Amino acid sequence: DQQVKQNSPSLSVQEGRISILNCDYTNSMFDYFLWYKKYPAEGPTFLISISSIKDKNEDGRFTVFLNKSAKHLSLHIVPSQPGDSAVYFCAAKGVGETSGSRLTFGEGTQLTVNP
Amino acid sequence: GAVVSQHPSRVICKSGTSVKIECRSLDFQATTMFWYRQFPKKSLMLMATSNEGSKATYEQGVEKDKFLINHASLTLSTLTVTSAHPEDSSFYICSARDPKSSYNSPLHFGNGTRLTVT
Repeated sequence: DQQVKQNSPSLSVQEGRISILNCDYTNSMFDYFLWYKKYPAEGPTFLISISSIKDKNEDGRFTVFLNKSAKHLSLHIVPSQPGDSAVYFCAAKGVGETSGSRLTFGEGTQLTVNP
Repeated sequence: GAVVSQHPSRVICKSGTSVKIECRSLDFQATTMFWYRQFPKKSLMLMATSNEGSKATYEQGVEKDKFLINHASLTLSTLTVTSAHPEDSSFYICSARDPKSSYNSPLHFGNGTRLTVT
């Protein structure tokens, strides 16, 4: 049972344009969401997060939106840069789970930003 | 810079042999570390939680006798894949969180180990 889903395995955008990566979840007990970026043969690196009490969090070119009623979140990258090309994982943490542990990950979306 | 170091980055072994993967926290003492496994084009799946000084907690469906975890010190956890089979071939990643950081601070991940069993 995949509780965190990223339905788009890949996304290709032009440099300078906006990249929008989507993530859906089914578990209403998730209260914290994170996005990680992963290059081949490397571990994921943290990008941005959002608490369930918020609907938006922004950090530079990266903005995460959370729609709790729809159980949907998205990561916006604007403007997109070729160096953003990587696999992006959406992850969620349940209520009661301590300190970012026991994350549930989506399948990942391969973002390719073309020069 | 990296705060969690994982070694080796890549290993090839023969069926029936055992392989040990090390995970070290570099800048902090980690009482808890986490071992994930990633299949090709799949999400990262939590295998087990490694607890310093006590037994690891395994996720449902993960064989504890197959994947031995030892967390002997506050900066080192090891995962040993015993009697490896080709189906154990995967990307294994460890992670840890600085216990001094805030409640929702993110996990730091190692660079992973690509295991290939021939």
